[in-house]
Amino acid sequence: DGGITQSPKYLFRKEGQNVTLSCEQNLNHDAMYWYRQDPGQGLRLIYYSQIVNDFQKGDIAEGYSVSREKKESFPLTVTSAQKNPTAFYLCASSIGRGTSYEQYFGPGTRLTVT
Amino acid sequence: AQTVTQSQPEMSVQEAETVTLSCTYDTSESDYYLFWYKQPPSRQMILVIRQEAYKQQNATENRFSVNFQKAAKSFSLKISDSQLGDAAMYFCAYSNYQLIWGAGTKLIIKP
Repeated sequence: DGGITQSPKYLFRKEGQNVTLSCEQNLNHDAMYWYRQDPGQGLRLIYYSQIVNDFQKGDIAEGYSVSREKKESFPLTVTSAQKNPTAFYLCASSIGRGTSYEQYFGPGTRLTVT
Repeated sequence: AQTVTQSQPEMSVQEAETVTLSCTYDTSESDYYLFWYKQPPSRQMILVIRQEAYKQQNATENRFSVNFQKAAKSFSLKISDSQLGDAAMYFCAYSNYQLIWGAGTKLIIKP
């Protein structure tokens, strides 16, 4: 079955540690995205990538980093510079980056930093 | 800048009844798409329905339909014959290369 996988589902880290969230897709989509979801708010875009080896900052990129070495994979690293990293993180992909393209979402990772 | 507003943080409806969720947006563009996504307790985001701005006909997907008023910049979602499985957060989103999301409406279904 085609889809997007994110692992792990729950992640716990101590403050000051970097942590990497995994996102893999087998939909053959060119574009991939990372969103952050906080209670009472809509999704906010962290980073997106339209093609391999290229990515762009979204609205809240500070304290995060990404890589896109393979079409299928778009890992997100939450660095110690992110001031409030506890949140629910969603990865998505689409055929391309265009107005009409539906985004498909993974199941998400809940990150808790204490 | 484009914005999306969902003015109803929470709505409730009796099972089998009809409910309408509101969404307004602000844009100066003429060509764009609008989406409704559903996020059940599992937190998996699922596309419910989408509307192309240049199409006057309102989109329909089974029990889900929209009322798209382009001049008023309004995009409401109507759910007919509500079922317990419809209980979820519903998000309205505007697309013009980037998805802009509303804050969501929590829909409660009363049995």
